[in-house]
Amino acid sequence: AQKVTQAQTEISVVEKEDVTLDCVYETRDTTYYLFWYKQPPSGELVFLIRRNSFDEQNEISGRYSWNFQKSTSSFNFTITASQVVDSAVYFCALSGGYTGTASKLTFGTGTRLQVTL
Amino acid sequence: GAGVSQTPSNKVTEKGKYVELRCDPISGHTALYWYRQSLGQGPEFLIYFQGTGAADDSGLPNDRFFAVRPEGSVSTLKIQRTERGDSAVYLCASSLSPSGTDTQYFGPGTRLTVL
Repeated sequence: AQKVTQAQTEISVVEKEDVTLDCVYETRDTTYYLFWYKQPPSGELVFLIRRNSFDEQNEISGRYSWNFQKSTSSFNFTITASQVVDSAVYFCALSGGYTGTASKLTFGTGTRLQVTL
Repeated sequence: GAGVSQTPSNKVTEKGKYVELRCDPISGHTALYWYRQSLGQGPEFLIYFQGTGAADDSGLPNDRFFAVRPEGSVSTLKIQRTERGDSAVYLCASSLSPSGTDTQYFGPGTRLTVL
């Protein structure tokens, strides 16, 4: 069975601070995909990034960066110089790479990020 | 282009009633998914369609829940004899194919409240 753990329920930071959201996953698939989604107060899930299990290269997109480490089964997300608009619930998710597992996303319970002035 | 749309955005019903929730996927996307999100939780998989057929309905909680996609585009999630525990946000997503290489894009959800 697949499992995603986001141990941080809620994080509060002051604007311009850096913040890292943790994600740990469990899967028996050798091919799998990891995702981060943002859910702002409006409620719609917004796709941020997808990584496959064969690509451990870290990725940076503007103020966002992701650190994928297979050795620790982690896929952490860092926001640099946080802004109030970053306030949202962030979900890490996992899907398998094979028929029967590829189509279900397994989500963590989310981390609520509150950025204040 | 247009994203995934869902109607209604809110639905309030009484215990025991029947409800239908509609999802219109992104044009050209062959795979369509339904998830349910309870307060304070992550979305949980219910069912997915590849074309017109339900390829995996293992997440449906019981036989009161049923979904169709008769023409391979719009899908309807149907809940019979609603219970208070069915109250949640029902999310629909679509992707180009059901492969893990294709990202699922989500609609705004339908908030169902069963009184």
